[in-house]
Amino acid sequence: QQPVQSPQAVILREGEDAVINCSSSKALYSVHWYRQKHGEAPIFLMILLKGGEQKGHDKISASFNEKKQQSSLYLTASQLSYSGTYFCGTEMRGGTSYGKLTFGQGTILTVHP
Amino acid sequence: NAGVTQTPKFRVLKTGQSMTLLCAQDMNHEYMYWYRQDPGMGLRLIHYSVGEGTTAKGEVPDGYNVSRLKKQNFLLGLESAAPSQTSVYFCASSWGVTVSNQPQHFGDGTRLSIL
Repeated sequence: QQPVQSPQAVILREGEDAVINCSSSKALYSVHWYRQKHGEAPIFLMILLKGGEQKGHDKISASFNEKKQQSSLYLTASQLSYSGTYFCGTEMRGGTSYGKLTFGQGTILTVHP
Repeated sequence: NAGVTQTPKFRVLKTGQSMTLLCAQDMNHEYMYWYRQDPGMGLRLIHYSVGEGTTAKGEVPDGYNVSRLKKQNFLLGLESAAPSQTSVYFCASSWGVTVSNQPQHFGDGTRLSIL
Protein backbone atom coordinates (compact mmCIF):
# COMPACT_ATOMS: atom_id res chain seq x y z
CA GLN A 1 0.00 0.00 0.00
CA GLN A 2 3.07 2.24 0.05
CA PRO A 3 2.81 4.83 -2.75
CA VAL A 4 5.48 4.62 -5.42
CA GLN A 5 7.57 7.66 -6.19
CA SER A 6 9.44 8.26 -9.41
CA PRO A 7 12.14 8.95 -10.22
CA GLN A 8 14.18 7.58 -7.32
CA ALA A 9 16.81 10.25 -7.85
CA VAL A 10 17.33 13.29 -10.04
CA ILE A 11 20.32 15.57 -10.58
CA LEU A 12 19.83 19.13 -11.78
CA ARG A 13 21.80 22.26 -12.44
CA GLU A 14 20.56 25.49 -10.90
CA GLY A 15 17.69 26.93 -12.90
CA GLU A 16 16.50 23.59 -14.32
CA ASP A 17 13.06 22.12 -13.68
CA ALA A 18 12.03 18.77 -12.22
CA VAL A 19 8.88 16.72 -11.72
CA ILE A 20 8.44 14.10 -9.00
CA ASN A 21 5.53 11.69 -9.24
CA CYS A 22 3.66 9.79 -6.54
CA SER A 23 1.30 6.94 -7.48
CA SER A 24 -1.01 4.88 -5.31
CA SER A 25 -2.81 1.60 -5.92
CA LYS A 26 -5.55 2.73 -3.52
CA ALA A 27 -8.10 5.55 -3.76
CA LEU A 28 -6.72 8.66 -2.10
CA TYR A 29 -8.30 11.28 0.10
CA SER A 30 -5.33 13.60 0.42
CA VAL A 31 -1.67 13.86 -0.56
CA HIS A 32 1.02 15.58 1.51
CA TRP A 33 4.48 16.58 0.31
CA TYR A 34 7.54 16.93 2.55
CA ARG A 35 11.21 17.70 2.02
CA GLN A 36 13.99 16.32 4.18
CA LYS A 37 17.61 17.44 4.18
CA HIS A 38 20.28 15.00 5.26
CA GLY A 39 20.28 14.47 9.02
CA GLU A 40 17.28 16.72 9.58
CA ALA A 41 13.55 16.37 10.16
CA PRO A 42 11.08 16.33 7.27
CA ILE A 43 9.59 19.74 6.56
CA PHE A 44 6.03 20.22 5.32
CA LEU A 45 5.59 21.65 1.81
CA MET A 46 1.91 21.36 0.94
CA ILE A 47 -1.30 19.34 1.13
CA LEU A 48 -3.65 18.55 -1.74
CA LEU A 49 -7.19 17.59 -0.82
CA LYS A 50 -9.40 17.48 -3.87
CA GLY A 51 -9.02 15.80 -7.19
CA GLY A 52 -7.49 18.20 -9.67
CA GLU A 53 -6.36 20.58 -6.98
CA GLN A 54 -3.15 22.43 -7.66
CA LYS A 55 -1.19 24.37 -5.12
CA GLY A 56 1.90 26.50 -5.30
CA HIS A 57 4.58 27.56 -2.88
CA ASP A 58 7.14 29.96 -4.31
CA LYS A 59 8.46 28.02 -7.33
CA ILE A 60 7.28 24.66 -6.05
CA SER A 61 3.79 23.52 -6.99
CA ALA A 62 1.83 20.28 -7.02
CA SER A 63 -1.20 18.70 -8.60
CA PHE A 64 -3.50 15.89 -7.53
CA ASN A 65 -5.30 13.66 -10.02
CA GLU A 66 -7.80 11.81 -7.88
CA LYS A 67 -9.01 9.63 -10.75
CA LYS A 68 -5.51 8.41 -11.57
CA GLN A 69 -4.65 8.14 -7.87
CA GLN A 70 -1.51 10.15 -8.32
CA SER A 71 0.13 13.44 -7.48
CA SER A 72 3.02 15.33 -9.03
CA LEU A 73 5.39 17.85 -7.49
CA TYR A 74 6.82 20.50 -9.82
CA LEU A 75 10.04 22.34 -9.02
CA THR A 76 10.78 25.18 -11.42
CA ALA A 77 13.98 27.21 -11.78
CA SER A 78 15.61 25.03 -9.13
CA GLN A 79 17.84 26.54 -6.47
CA LEU A 80 20.65 24.95 -4.46
CA SER A 81 18.35 25.03 -1.42
CA TYR A 82 15.95 22.63 -3.16
CA SER A 83 18.38 19.75 -2.67
CA GLY A 84 17.08 17.03 -0.38
CA THR A 85 14.81 14.02 -0.33
CA TYR A 86 11.18 14.57 -1.22
CA PHE A 87 8.46 12.37 0.22
CA CYS A 88 4.81 12.09 -0.62
CA GLY A 89 2.46 10.95 2.12
CA THR A 90 -0.91 9.60 1.12
CA GLU A 91 -4.08 9.37 3.13
CA MET A 92 -6.22 6.62 1.66
CA ARG A 93 -9.98 6.52 1.56
CA GLY A 94 -12.04 4.26 3.71
CA GLY A 95 -12.37 2.78 7.15
CA THR A 96 -9.31 2.96 9.36
CA SER A 97 -7.19 4.61 6.65
CA TYR A 98 -8.33 8.10 7.52
CA GLY A 99 -6.18 10.04 9.90
CA LYS A 100 -2.82 8.56 9.00
CA LEU A 101 -0.32 8.89 6.20
CA THR A 102 1.57 6.26 4.23
CA PHE A 103 4.82 7.64 2.85
CA GLY A 104 6.58 6.83 -0.39
CA GLN A 105 10.19 5.72 -0.45
CA GLY A 106 11.45 9.19 -1.34
CA THR A 107 13.07 10.94 -4.30
CA ILE A 108 16.58 12.29 -3.86
CA LEU A 109 16.99 15.66 -5.58
CA THR A 110 20.46 17.12 -6.02
CA VAL A 111 20.96 20.61 -7.44
CA HIS A 112 24.45 21.61 -8.60
CA PRO A 113 25.69 25.17 -9.29
CA ASN B 1 8.39 27.78 21.06
CA ALA B 2 10.11 24.37 20.89
CA GLY B 3 7.61 22.56 18.63
CA VAL B 4 8.26 18.80 18.79
CA THR B 5 11.12 17.67 21.01
CA GLN B 6 12.53 14.15 21.04
CA THR B 7 14.82 12.69 23.68
CA PRO B 8 17.35 11.22 23.53
CA LYS B 9 18.91 12.23 20.19
CA PHE B 10 21.29 9.24 20.08
CA ARG B 11 21.37 5.92 21.87
CA VAL B 12 23.24 2.65 21.60
CA LEU B 13 21.66 -0.44 23.11
CA LYS B 14 22.59 -4.07 23.44
CA THR B 15 20.23 -6.76 22.17
CA GLY B 16 17.58 -7.53 24.77
CA GLN B 17 17.80 -4.20 26.59
CA SER B 18 14.77 -2.00 26.97
CA MET B 19 14.33 1.72 26.59
CA THR B 20 11.76 4.47 26.16
CA LEU B 21 11.86 7.30 23.63
CA LEU B 22 10.09 10.47 24.68
CA CYS B 23 8.27 12.89 22.40
CA ALA B 24 6.93 16.18 23.71
CA GLN B 25 5.00 18.85 21.80
CA ASP B 26 3.96 22.30 22.98
CA MET B 27 1.47 23.13 20.20
CA ASN B 28 -1.58 21.56 21.87
CA HIS B 29 -1.88 19.10 18.97
CA GLU B 30 -4.37 16.26 19.19
CA TYR B 31 -2.64 13.77 16.89
CA MET B 32 0.81 12.33 17.54
CA TYR B 33 2.78 9.75 15.56
CA TRP B 34 5.87 7.58 15.79
CA TYR B 35 7.71 6.68 12.57
CA ARG B 36 10.87 4.80 11.80
CA GLN B 37 13.05 5.67 8.85
CA ASP B 38 15.36 3.16 7.22
CA PRO B 39 17.45 3.74 4.07
CA GLY B 40 15.34 3.46 0.93
CA MET B 41 12.16 2.75 2.92
CA GLY B 42 10.79 6.19 3.58
CA LEU B 43 8.91 6.82 6.80
CA ARG B 44 6.91 3.92 8.21
CA LEU B 45 4.25 4.46 10.85
CA ILE B 46 4.74 2.47 14.04
CA HIS B 47 1.92 3.69 16.29
CA TYR B 48 -0.16 6.80 16.51
CA SER B 49 -2.57 8.57 18.85
CA VAL B 50 -5.64 10.66 18.07
CA GLY B 51 -5.89 12.09 21.58
CA GLU B 52 -4.90 11.76 25.20
CA GLY B 53 -5.34 8.22 26.45
CA THR B 54 -5.74 6.69 22.97
CA THR B 55 -3.29 4.75 20.80
CA ALA B 56 -3.54 2.74 17.59
CA LYS B 57 -1.26 0.51 15.53
CA GLY B 58 0.40 1.65 12.35
CA GLU B 59 2.16 -0.32 9.63
CA VAL B 60 5.02 -1.79 11.70
CA PRO B 61 3.91 -2.03 15.36
CA ASP B 62 5.53 -5.33 16.34
CA GLY B 63 8.17 -5.03 19.07
CA TYR B 64 7.01 -1.57 20.16
CA ASN B 65 4.56 -0.22 22.70
CA VAL B 66 3.31 3.32 23.21
CA SER B 67 1.50 5.39 25.79
CA ARG B 68 -0.12 8.80 25.77
CA LEU B 69 -1.02 9.61 29.34
CA LYS B 70 -0.73 13.36 28.77
CA LYS B 71 -1.78 15.23 25.66
CA GLN B 72 1.65 16.76 25.13
CA ASN B 73 3.67 13.54 25.50
CA PHE B 74 3.87 10.38 23.42
CA LEU B 75 6.21 7.61 24.59
CA LEU B 76 7.62 4.81 22.46
CA GLY B 77 8.93 1.75 24.27
CA LEU B 78 11.14 -1.10 23.16
CA GLU B 79 10.75 -3.95 25.64
CA SER B 80 13.50 -6.20 24.27
CA ALA B 81 15.58 -4.46 21.63
CA ALA B 82 16.62 -6.36 18.50
CA PRO B 83 19.21 -5.40 15.84
CA SER B 84 16.34 -5.07 13.31
CA GLN B 85 15.12 -2.09 15.33
CA THR B 86 18.25 -0.10 14.51
CA SER B 87 16.81 2.96 12.80
CA VAL B 88 16.10 6.66 12.99
CA TYR B 89 12.87 7.30 14.89
CA PHE B 90 10.78 10.39 14.22
CA CYS B 91 7.90 11.71 16.23
CA ALA B 92 5.34 14.00 14.64
CA SER B 93 2.23 15.86 15.72
CA SER B 94 -0.67 17.56 13.98
CA TRP B 95 -3.58 19.77 14.93
CA GLY B 96 -7.25 18.95 14.68
CA VAL B 97 -9.42 15.92 14.26
CA THR B 98 -8.22 14.87 10.85
CA VAL B 99 -4.88 14.65 9.12
CA SER B 100 -6.41 15.54 5.77
CA ASN B 101 -5.84 19.27 5.90
CA GLN B 102 -3.31 19.53 8.70
CA PRO B 103 0.46 19.28 8.23
CA GLN B 104 2.53 17.06 10.46
CA HIS B 105 5.31 18.71 12.45
CA PHE B 106 8.33 16.49 12.99
CA GLY B 107 10.90 16.30 15.74
CA ASP B 108 14.62 16.10 14.96
CA GLY B 109 14.73 12.34 15.34
CA THR B 110 16.39 9.77 17.59
CA ARG B 111 19.21 7.69 16.13
CA LEU B 112 19.08 4.28 17.74
CA SER B 113 21.67 1.54 17.25
CA ILE B 114 21.20 -1.94 18.64
CA LEU B 115 24.24 -4.16 18.83
